[in-house]
Amino acid sequence: GDSVTQMEGPVTLSEEAFLTINCTYTATGYPSLFWYVQYPGEGLQLLLKATKADDKGSNKGFEATYRKETTSFHLEKGSVQVSDSAVYFCALSDRNTGNQFYFGTGTSLTVIP
Amino acid sequence: GAVVSQHPSWVICKSGTSVKIECRSLDFQATTMFWYRQFPKQSLMLMATSNEGSKATYEQGVEKDKFLINHASLTLSTLTVTSAHPEDSSFYICSATGGQPQHFGDGTRLSIL
Repeated sequence: GDSVTQMEGPVTLSEEAFLTINCTYTATGYPSLFWYVQYPGEGLQLLLKATKADDKGSNKGFEATYRKETTSFHLEKGSVQVSDSAVYFCALSDRNTGNQFYFGTGTSLTVIP
Repeated sequence: GAVVSQHPSWVICKSGTSVKIECRSLDFQATTMFWYRQFPKQSLMLMATSNEGSKATYEQGVEKDKFLINHASLTLSTLTVTSAHPEDSSFYICSATGGQPQHFGDGTRLSIL
């Protein structure tokens, strides 16, 4: 079945450091891939998405490229800020399963000044 | 853009009380709504999928009689936690879709004393 494997945290970085959070997936069809961010006490916010192979999603300095050959969708940011501290979830949505979402376990990021 | 409203955002109640959580799609028709549960520092776990006008499909291990889901219209789904106990305390998140993409509510934090 479909699944998402996400790099475990927690991750602690200094401000302006480079961020990578790894995400790989397993899917029966051709899924859409997502990164969601969850700030403390809040719901999920869509950060970026990619709907087909080689697509690059980007938002607020974050990027992720849909790599079909490696079944990956790693999240990157060149220079993190304190305000980026949150939990990040990789997810996929597969039409073959009625657009159900499959989430990774989440990676907690703390950025220190 | 499309918005999903979830209400209440936070509820505290006594053990044995039944609690109803509403999930509304504000500017689109949600043919399918999903209910998730999130334990502290963990990922979202799908509880059930509901299609408008039909019975919800529950994931394995989720008690149907405990978590009643109603999706009577294309803009509203409700989750009722019946006779709630402290172990039901959690963060509940709904999402809604009329196809693609899927939109998430801000979540409901349920605390049972």
